[in-house]
Amino acid sequence: LAKTTQPISMDSYEGQEVNITCSHNNIATNDYITWYQQFPSQGPRFIIQGYKTKVTNEVASLFIPADRKSSTLSLPRVSLSDTAVYYCLVGDRGSTLGRLYFGRGTQLTVWP
Amino acid sequence: GAVVSQHPSRVICKSGTSVKIECRSLDFQATTMFWYRQFPKQSLMLMATSNEGSKATYEQGVEKDKFLINHASLTLSTLTVTSAHPEDSSFYICSARRDRGRVNTEAFFGQGTRLTVV
Repeated sequence: LAKTTQPISMDSYEGQEVNITCSHNNIATNDYITWYQQFPSQGPRFIIQGYKTKVTNEVASLFIPADRKSSTLSLPRVSLSDTAVYYCLVGDRGSTLGRLYFGRGTQLTVWP
Repeated sequence: GAVVSQHPSRVICKSGTSVKIECRSLDFQATTMFWYRQFPKQSLMLMATSNEGSKATYEQGVEKDKFLINHASLTLSTLTVTSAHPEDSSFYICSARRDRGRVNTEAFFGQGTRLTVV
């Protein structure tokens, strides 16, 4: 399974754009990149998933370069409620097992 | 979006007793569910994969006789912590993937269960 590396923590202010980069140098051909958000004492919540180039939904964008060895989660105009831990995961979406292994994640703190 | 519900959300038990935690997929079928444990300030650790109609698959280092998993239906998996001890106190989280053939969708997580063993 591909190992991921993320910054342990990041700080931002309300209204700013936040970009969290994840390194996954050993990503396999069948692997997808998925980001989850977790608030204290809650289960993780799916944010976005992608395979290559750019994916955008109503809450975030995911940028994946051509070599797929890294990815960047972009959160536009963050608010205080975006303070959470963000996890980058890499896995084989085609696998019938579908296990997810979490790394340390990035603690994002948004200040007023 | 899909909903995965855990019950109870909090439980306190005495050392030596057993505790059962339920995980339900409310609006979709899930042949496979997953159980995680999370200690304070740490990441989620996958404990086991729960398979409907068959034995669970445990990760290395997880005691299968201590953490009993039953997946009796396509919408319910249970985790029983047997003979609980204070070191078993943790946040337990389940997740499920919607069954769609060989292509997995995103995983949906329950809200977690805070277990405190006194």
